[in-house]
Amino acid sequence: GAGVSQSPSNKVTEKGKDVELRCDPISGHTALYWYRQSLGQGLEFLIYFQGNSAPDKSGLPSDRFSAERTGGSVSTLTIQRTQQEDSAVYLCASTAGTGGPYSNQPQHFGDGTRLSIL
Amino acid sequence: EDQVTQSPEALRLQEGESSSLNCSYTVSGLRGLFWYRQDPGKGPEFLFTLYSAGEEKEKERLKATLTKKESFLHITAPKPEDSATYLCALRGFQKLVFGTGTRLLVSP
Repeated sequence: GAGVSQSPSNKVTEKGKDVELRCDPISGHTALYWYRQSLGQGLEFLIYFQGNSAPDKSGLPSDRFSAERTGGSVSTLTIQRTQQEDSAVYLCASTAGTGGPYSNQPQHFGDGTRLSIL
Repeated sequence: EDQVTQSPEALRLQEGESSSLNCSYTVSGLRGLFWYRQDPGKGPEFLFTLYSAGEEKEKERLKATLTKKESFLHITAPKPEDSATYLCALRGFQKLVFGTGTRLLVSP
């Protein structure tokens, strides 16, 4: 597609439920990133994919968070047993090239999923 | 540890009133400094990359400059459509580090 696509755009769920967030990167972009943006905070890195592999998942806050990428394209971020502190905007970005989190290529972002945990 | 501090947190300008946004940083080895614009409910939109002190980039009413300690985003004769949050991000030898942004409001 023309840009990074994320779905759903909004998600409201009850504490303890599992959620899945989807990211479809720019066609041809091999690198994909997930970030979390909380009110008043800078973007917090979660995980980086190169192709279907995740060389850097150091930003995942707990074992309730996991992500996968299939076919070198679509990625899914899953949060199990959601907690209220998980409420945030989850942003996905992609870049061309293979430099990973250390690349100088600008990252192109989707519009995010706004997650609210009741 | 690489760090980025943006100031001011918020800035209100009248249309046509030029000003500058600041991004101060500490980094072990600068590999790039990025500026993004973020509108409410949207993801960050890439504006510029600066790689070395003295470098400048321009786009319409925006001009980004870089020194060894800070970057400025100069806004000349802003219009209401320039209202947004402007983020800077730093690339050193570690992952991209984002500042918390400057919320700019330009009134007609």
